[in-house]
Amino acid sequence: QVQLQESGPGLVKPSETLSLTCTVSGGSINSDTYYWGWIRQPPGKGLEWIGNIFYSGSTFYNPSLKSRVTISIDTSKTQFSLKLGSVTAADTAVYYCASGLFDSKRTWGQGTLVTVSS
Amino acid sequence: QSALTQPASVSGSPGQSITISCTGTSSDVGGYDYVSWYQQHPGKAPKLMIYDVTNRPSGVSNRFSGSKSGNTASLTISGLQAEDEADYYCSSYTVTTTKGVVFGGGTKLTVL
Repeated sequence: QVQLQESGPGLVKPSETLSLTCTVSGGSINSDTYYWGWIRQPPGKGLEWIGNIFYSGSTFYNPSLKSRVTISIDTSKTQFSLKLGSVTAADTAVYYCASGLFDSKRTWGQGTLVTVSS
Repeated sequence: QSALTQPASVSGSPGQSITISCTGTSSDVGGYDYVSWYQQHPGKAPKLMIYDVTNRPSGVSNRFSGSKSGNTASLTISGLQAEDEADYYCSSYTVTTTKGVVFGGGTKLTVL
């Protein structure tokens, strides 16, 4: 049973880069079936898809965030990561990593709150 | 990518059935049989309840069912139970300039 755990700073200054890592345990990150993804949820609001990455390194991003987002994968560390640049208060959210099919995610991390504030 | 449209809230009494709608376009819901539904309790991560319009992951109660007609997908919960009270989100595969995923705005289900 795959388990996911997000890690990274809980506070980021405006205009800086948000960086989070998701550590995969209990399963292979080299799956040729599943995608690894990031989804966020601003406080009191709905879910927003950020992007997916395949074990090969192929990435797919939300067009509204594409210019600021980079998702990468390190199969040797069984981790995948999110970088979001030029953050503003609007990027304050709970960030989830998740795994599953491209469009549906069966396994989720517990989520981590990232606050953008000076 | 525009968010899929869901009602803000629905309610029902224990034992009743409710349906939550999720309306998109031919670029997402109407164009592909890749609609999913998630249940989210306060402070918890979302839980996948339905994928590929009608399929239930193992362990999900058969009281939950999904369907689609045209650009609108629906989640039906039968035999409502108190623990079903939660937020529900639909999502769909979408292709615009590239392939991606779009979520609905979420529906708060209240069990009266």
